[in-house]
Amino acid sequence: GAVVSQHPSWVICKSGTSVKIECRSLDFQATTMFWYRQFPKQSLMLMATSNEGSKATYEQGVEKDKFLINHASLTLSTLTVTSAHPEDSSFYICSALETGGSSYNEQFFGPGTRLTVL
Amino acid sequence: AQKVTQAQTEISVVEKEDVTLDCVYETRDTTYYLFWYKQPPSGELVFLIRRNSFDEQNEISGRYSWNFQKSTSSFNFTITASQVVDSAVYFCALSDLNRDDKIIFGKGTRLHILP
Repeated sequence: GAVVSQHPSWVICKSGTSVKIECRSLDFQATTMFWYRQFPKQSLMLMATSNEGSKATYEQGVEKDKFLINHASLTLSTLTVTSAHPEDSSFYICSALETGGSSYNEQFFGPGTRLTVL
Repeated sequence: AQKVTQAQTEISVVEKEDVTLDCVYETRDTTYYLFWYKQPPSGELVFLIRRNSFDEQNEISGRYSWNFQKSTSSFNFTITASQVVDSAVYFCALSDLNRDDKIIFGKGTRLHILP
């Protein structure tokens, strides 16, 4: 299957700083990517849909000014956690949608980024 | 509204036992997809299966099998002759065509296989 990478795999930062997480589709182009957040021992919660060349669509309750998403190319979406606080500590997972070729648009998940805010 | 319920929060079985993970879903759409994912301690999601709503045939893949029953809106997952390496969190998930390819995850079942 297709491969999606995330960088970094883990990051520790101080409260008040901003952190950028990259999501790349390595062998296919993805006009749509998704960002999920997973707190310890909880499920994945969709945060936003990242659309190449346009604004991201955020799920209800997700602060768009806090979680900035940029999808500037067909293979890269970035999530920037601005002014991070300890409550933002979580596991962030992206997925990329592979479209075309079949009736179903397959979604491939990245390995995740563990963010710890001190 | 779409919803996925995994009533079993945590299950422990002894190695070589069979174990079934339950999944019940809700959707108003007639065309939808159901999934199972495995999440080992490393955190990376491992895709196990996708089923579309028009295919109720049960699936077997090695020690894994899935039972899809539209009449009860269930998509249960059975591991036969469990192994310690099967220890992980398993998520059942749903996607329907009206949600722009978004996937909704259940809360997951944490499976412990005891040696």
